[in-house]
Amino acid sequence: SQTIHQWPATLVQPVGSPLSLECTVEGTSNPNLYWYRQAAGRGLQLLFYSVGIGQISSEVPQNLSASRPQDRQFILSSKKLLLSDSGFYLCAWSGSLTGGNQPQHFGDGTRLSIL
Amino acid sequence: GEDVEQSLFLSVREGDSSVINCTYTDSSSTYLYWYKQEPGAGLQLLTYIFSNMDMKQDQRLTVLLNKKDKHLSLRIADTQTGDSAIYFCADPGYSSASKIIFGSGTRLSIRP
Repeated sequence: SQTIHQWPATLVQPVGSPLSLECTVEGTSNPNLYWYRQAAGRGLQLLFYSVGIGQISSEVPQNLSASRPQDRQFILSSKKLLLSDSGFYLCAWSGSLTGGNQPQHFGDGTRLSIL
Repeated sequence: GEDVEQSLFLSVREGDSSVINCTYTDSSSTYLYWYKQEPGAGLQLLTYIFSNMDMKQDQRLTVLLNKKDKHLSLRIADTQTGDSAIYFCADPGYSSASKIIFGSGTRLSIRP
C-alpha cells in the first residue's frame, strides 16, 4: 500500500533562517506531488505541484521554492523565512492518470512557527 | 473561476445527525470528495461520490449530490465526539495534474 511521510512534524525557526521540509511517498511510482499551506486550521492554499522529476509549478509567488530531485521525493525550501511563513504545511500525492479526478492523499503535516 | 463554498461552523448535539453542505462551480468532475481533518493532522479522504450518482451511503455517512444545483452534502448519522473535525468538500474539476479545489472547511463541534 502507498504511504506518505513528512518531516519534521514541528519546527520552530527564527526569522531570516533557511527552511527545508521533506516529503517522500512509498508504494507508487510517478505520483503527482503537492505542497499546501494551511493558516490557523482553515482552508488550504496550494503552493506548488509537480507532475514529474524536476517539473515544478508554482501557484503563489512568495519566498518559498520546491524541488523534486527524485520520483517520490518533494522538498519545500526557503533561503530566508518571514514571519508570514508560519503555518501548517501539508504534502500530498495523487495518481498520475491524465484527466484529473484522482484523489489526493495527505501526509501528517509540519507545523512551522517563525519567531 | 472554479470555486467551492462551505459554511464555516456547525454545532450539533451528540447522537443527532450532522449535515454539512457545499456548493461548487465546476461540473466536469467525475468524482466529488469529502475529506476529514482532525486537530493537528493531515486531511483524510472520507468518502466520494460519482458525479452520475445522486446518493451514496457508507455506514453512518450519506452523501447527496444535486448536479443541477451543484450542491453536495454530507450527512453523519448518530454524531459522536470522534466526529469533531474540519470537513472539506473537494472538486477536482478537470486537470491533467489532478489539482483539486478545496472548500474552506466546516468545523463540526459536538455538544454533550
